[in-house]
Amino acid sequence: DSGVTQTPKHLITATGQRVTLRCSPRSGDLSVYWYQQSLDQGLQFLIHYYNGEERAKGNILERFSAQQFPDLHSELNLSSLELGDSALYFCASSAGQGADTYEQYFGPGTRLTVT
Amino acid sequence: AQSVTQLGSHVSVSEGALVLLRCNYSSSVPPYLFWYVQYPNQGLQLLLKYTSAATLVKGINGFEAEFKKSETSFHLTKPSAHMSDAAEYFCAVRNNYGQNFVFGPGTRLSVLP
Repeated sequence: DSGVTQTPKHLITATGQRVTLRCSPRSGDLSVYWYQQSLDQGLQFLIHYYNGEERAKGNILERFSAQQFPDLHSELNLSSLELGDSALYFCASSAGQGADTYEQYFGPGTRLTVT
Repeated sequence: AQSVTQLGSHVSVSEGALVLLRCNYSSSVPPYLFWYVQYPNQGLQLLLKYTSAATLVKGINGFEAEFKKSETSFHLTKPSAHMSDAAEYFCAVRNNYGQNFVFGPGTRLSVLP
């Protein structure tokens, strides 16, 4: 158990809908990262938050957004869903940001299926 | 920009045989390197990390990796494969200039009885 929790575990929704994925980092970790894992694209970095502020963006679509709240949990919002958005979405947390060696601890993931 | 390549999307070994999973990176600055393992329907778990200390890094479950700067490699090895090692393995790189992790495409390891 990494200490990172993600809810829900599974989500099935229809095209055009909007969903919210939730992540709680390990106790004390200030950084939260979101990743998308699909068979054709592999593990893709989406976005990084540190202590409530966005730090870096990766391959995140404009239809997707995220935020990190004062209690450090994070939410990833996916809107106008398309079939191609079906994937595993992972959250990871780490103690620091930037110039550090802190590894990332991954949650169990949310499997999103868009029908 | 950083990048990671993993030679071989699928590797099969017999139980008890040597495991060798290859990782090559490119980074314009000294990298930090990581190996993660993903078991079916689970998240990624850290196996080991290189952070510019010893070039030979020992991790969990009997795995180790050697950082070779001249070859820009960080190959993962285990002397004797066990059935429980069957999983997907990801190599990742980050540098100390605030850039985020870049993961390789992964190598699926199968262990044959």
